[in-house]
Amino acid sequence: DAGVIQSPRHEVTEMGQEVTLRCKPISGHNSLFWYRQTMMRGLELLIYFNNNVPIDDSGMPEDRFSAKMPNASFSTLKIQPSEPRDSAVYFCASSSSLAGSTYGYTFGSGTRLTVV
Amino acid sequence: GDSVTQMEGPVTLSEEAFLTINCTYTATGYPSLFWYVQYPGEGLQLLLKATKADDKGSNKGFEATYRKETTSFHLEKGSVQVSDSAVYFCALSDRNTPLVFGKGTRLSVIA
Repeated sequence: DAGVIQSPRHEVTEMGQEVTLRCKPISGHNSLFWYRQTMMRGLELLIYFNNNVPIDDSGMPEDRFSAKMPNASFSTLKIQPSEPRDSAVYFCASSSSLAGSTYGYTFGSGTRLTVV
Repeated sequence: GDSVTQMEGPVTLSEEAFLTINCTYTATGYPSLFWYVQYPGEGLQLLLKATKADDKGSNKGFEATYRKETTSFHLEKGSVQVSDSAVYFCALSDRNTPLVFGKGTRLSVIA
């Protein structure tokens, strides 16, 4: 398996532009998670899905952030409009269960977003 | 709510030194405990886990023992290598809810 695939790896955009981050989870995993990592806040859980259904989006910082999972093999995280404080590394992870008790979570390599 | 507290870094060690990274947790239930590792430019990877009291998780020379009486899951390695330089995250899961991560501890090993 190729693992969790995220694209793009790097994104530089201007303030006010729309940004879309993409994630392909591991086939057969039914839980998907979006995290944001910054030096100041560490690793933050933004939203997670179970069987393609959003379960908890309380970690999404503002209404500018939205996430979708139209099918079991694809998810997007969108920021519109983007702001410089959104600059961070965004990770997608998938798992065969919410808690990942058996095999843990598999993380993608992340998207490094820079908003100028 | 559930939480994980791990020692602040960075930790800098010489090659072949002994490593301990402390981790304590707070949970209402009976959680599973994990250590994840993040190498530069990569996502987190599961390093080891333990699912019940007194269980010892181990992998790549790293070990951690689930201590319910002290609510701890300290990570240890007898002899670190330069290649172990990374950020280490302690985490827990409780009652089939998403993992709760600590803030991470950066380890630098110098030759």
